[in-house]
Amino acid sequence: DAGITQSPRHKVTETGTPVTLRCHQTENHRYMYWYRQDPGHGLRLIHYSYGVKDTDKGEVSDGYSVSRSKTEDFLLTLESATSSQTSVYFCAISESPLTGTNTEAFFGQGTRLTVV
Amino acid sequence: GQNIDQPTEMTATEGAIVQINCTYQTSGFNGLFWYQQHAGEAPTFLSYNVLDGLEEKGRFSSFLSRSKGYSYLLLKELQMKDSASYLCAVRGWYNNNDMRFGAGTRLTVKP
Repeated sequence: DAGITQSPRHKVTETGTPVTLRCHQTENHRYMYWYRQDPGHGLRLIHYSYGVKDTDKGEVSDGYSVSRSKTEDFLLTLESATSSQTSVYFCAISESPLTGTNTEAFFGQGTRLTVV
Repeated sequence: GQNIDQPTEMTATEGAIVQINCTYQTSGFNGLFWYQQHAGEAPTFLSYNVLDGLEEKGRFSSFLSRSKGYSYLLLKELQMKDSASYLCAVRGWYNNNDMRFGAGTRLTVKP
């Protein structure tokens, strides 16, 4: 199994509070992704990173920010949590997509976040 | 518009063959992936297609037609443990880096 760890695994927080989720990898993969998964929507890309300090928005980035100060860590921050951000959050990692091999993404076990 | 479409649910019988279709419309394309996800677990990689044609891997095969924006995942000799959601994902949606998923197909295998 790819070395990818998400923390925390479960969190309950109140509306309006900031929340940070952490994704840690030991594979030295260049690409890291944050997704949220909701019934009926599948996995939706929030933000991704293609290198240290290099990040870009996904399709549902509003209300979220990310940071990647070193290769192994990718942080997702909810600036002011809302009930609509209650979801399961998955981090994924992958090597370069340009090689044609070893391009699959490996997923962490997920973080279940509840905003009350 | 841009979209990835899969059937929401499918049911099949143990020992049978099932085909799960995926159609996509994107501005960019750098490969199509299939993932399996059991309830409450993380998605796991099944297959990758970047060129047209069929890729076979044991009981699972995946087909791609880039000109038609179409892929399918074929599962043979179905087993009860194949009951899961199957996710189609396209890399290179807007650029070479991002990866977008369809909503997934929930497959139920019955005895």
